[in-house]
Amino acid sequence: DIVMTQSPLSLPVTPGEPASISCRSSQSLLYSNGNNYLDWYVQKPGQSPQLLIYLGSNRASGVPDRFSGSGSGTDFTLKISRVEAEDVGVYYCMQPLQIPFTFGPGTKVDIK
Amino acid sequence: EVQLVESGGALVQPGGSLRLSCAASGFSFSTYWMHWVRQAPGKGLVWVSRIKGDGSSITYADSVRGRFTISRDNAKNTLYLQMISLRAEDTAVYYCVRDYYDMRDYWGQGTLVTVSS
Repeated sequence: DIVMTQSPLSLPVTPGEPASISCRSSQSLLYSNGNNYLDWYVQKPGQSPQLLIYLGSNRASGVPDRFSGSGSGTDFTLKISRVEAEDVGVYYCMQPLQIPFTFGPGTKVDIK
Repeated sequence: EVQLVESGGALVQPGGSLRLSCAASGFSFSTYWMHWVRQAPGKGLVWVSRIKGDGSSITYADSVRGRFTISRDNAKNTLYLQMISLRAEDTAVYYCVRDYYDMRDYWGQGTLVTVSS
């Protein structure tokens, strides 16, 4: 199975400041078609997870442009350019390249 | 509007059985892969199973293979997860998830399964 790791696991943030989460996979997520099979999700308190980023860098519909995904192969980053209070929650990366799909342990983002 | 509504969660004894349902609406259900993902209380997300739109391809996580069966009724726009031989470690909120061209773009609200005596 592909093992997903994230850092940090806890991220206190200041509204208006940038934030960054790292995700690493134990195997390359770069497929022969040139796509990186890496998703980012956020689970806000009391809610279901929601898709933020797919294929490493594509924002899902309705996701604010302050969210961006980057990286390739085994190293990926989710960046929030200016954190807002509504961004608190747990952020997960997930690889949909190989069965079983596997998630990172999650990064809890809260306000300082 | 796309909607996924899970149901069927309950308190069940170890060794018991349960069938979860996920009613889909607002999209052409039969053309989409669907997944089940679970989340134990206070824990992270774990992928459980997926099924192709026509039901012709099915895969499971090792932890549930042989005990859980995913299926769908495209005439009823409903996804199912039949669970037998339930264990305490199966206790979780179970989410159904739509898979649309490399996007797991819609998640239901989840249904809670509690396995306890």
